[in-house]
Amino acid sequence: GQQVMQIPQYQHVQEGEDFTTYCNSSTTLSNIQWYKQRPGGHPVFLIQLVKSGEVKKQKRLTFQFGEAKKNSSLHITATQTTDVGTYFCFNQAGTALIFGKGTTLSVSS
Amino acid sequence: DTAVSQTPKYLVTQMGNDKSIKCEQNLGHDTMYWYKQDSKKFLKIMFSYNNKELIINETVPNRFSPKSPDKAHLNLHINSLELGDSAVYFCASSLNLPGDSYEQYFGPGTRLTVT
Repeated sequence: GQQVMQIPQYQHVQEGEDFTTYCNSSTTLSNIQWYKQRPGGHPVFLIQLVKSGEVKKQKRLTFQFGEAKKNSSLHITATQTTDVGTYFCFNQAGTALIFGKGTTLSVSS
Repeated sequence: DTAVSQTPKYLVTQMGNDKSIKCEQNLGHDTMYWYKQDSKKFLKIMFSYNNKELIINETVPNRFSPKSPDKAHLNLHINSLELGDSAVYFCASSLNLPGDSYEQYFGPGTRLTVT
């Protein structure tokens, strides 16, 4: 079945460093969404990408959708302690709803 | 006002018991979901209802039975609980059908511990 592979599984950075998480699929994705889950919390929608090569920014967060629509990335510039949590990519194609396994980010000050 | 609410927040029970988790959304959404998040934080879809109709029914033991009395409510009943059922269960809702690319709103989760 369809899978979305997400790497790395864990990332620890010093406050101020950059962070990137990647999602890859063997098949073309119609769209990709990104969610953030704070420790002890629930997933919260961040953004959706639909178009090939699309780039969207939210303050220090930059989201990209690959030209072939088989990969996506989330980049955080100058991480802050408020960025800690697990970031998930998500794809829905019809009734197939697939979350990546998530990248857990920890930040030390 | 809480958009998606779940009760209870914590549930500790013994193997073999039957328990229910309730979910309500006040967003006016047509679609609701149940997800299971295991200890490694892997989120897996279990069920989805659209306007009280079951539209996604993943490979889940038949001890799990969802029920949607109306489009604002989706409950999950679990029979004969097993140790492996221990997880966090999230309810979610979205405006329209899965595949229509609408964002999902998640409830706070129910942490189920089976002893």
